[in-house]
Amino acid sequence: DIQMTQSPSSLSASVGDRVTITCQASQDIGNFLNWFQLKPGKAPKLLIYEVSNLEAGVPSRFSGSGSGSKFTFTISRLQPEDVATYYCHQYDHLPRVTFGGGTKVEMK
Amino acid sequence: QVHLVQSGPEVKKPGSSVKVSCKASGGDFNSNSFSWVRHVPGQGLQWMGGIIPIFRTANYAQRFQGRVTITADERTRTAYMELRNLRSEDTAIYFCAGGRLPGEWSHGYWGQGTLVTVSS
Repeated sequence: DIQMTQSPSSLSASVGDRVTITCQASQDIGNFLNWFQLKPGKAPKLLIYEVSNLEAGVPSRFSGSGSGSKFTFTISRLQPEDVATYYCHQYDHLPRVTFGGGTKVEMK
Repeated sequence: QVHLVQSGPEVKKPGSSVKVSCKASGGDFNSNSFSWVRHVPGQGLQWMGGIIPIFRTANYAQRFQGRVTITADERTRTAYMELRNLRSEDTAIYFCAGGRLPGEWSHGYWGQGTLVTVSS
């Protein structure tokens, strides 16, 4: 199975701060890498698909980058409504699907 | 646009089974992927398995193999997940998720979640 190592597991930041989360795959996964936001009592929300593509309706302060096995998710200016847990997610056609361990983002 | 609506909360005894449904509207039901993902309190997201109805055969994550069955009924446009031999550690919110595009496993659409509580 492909392992996804996400870091940090939690972080605390202030409004307007730049937040960066990384995800390392145990092997090359091409561009099959998404980022989700999970809030209590809500369904996961797809923010970024295929490494760097912003899902429709998602604010442009969210972005993704990377290739091969190392990927980065960034919130350029943290807003109060961004408090949530974020997950990277890899998938392929077999299917093999794995989520990272999650990063809990809190407000200082 | 795919819209997924799941069945309601369940309370089950250890050792019993639960079957959760996910009704889809919009999109091409037979060509879309339907995954089941659970969120255990205090833990992360776990992919359990999924199915593309036109292929009829489900695929399962190794940790759930033998204990879960995923099916799809094209007549009612509904996907199902049955988990057997329930234990307290299976208490979680169970989500169905559909692919962004037909035939792929990108999980662009999600049901509202179904809380399954396992307690004696």
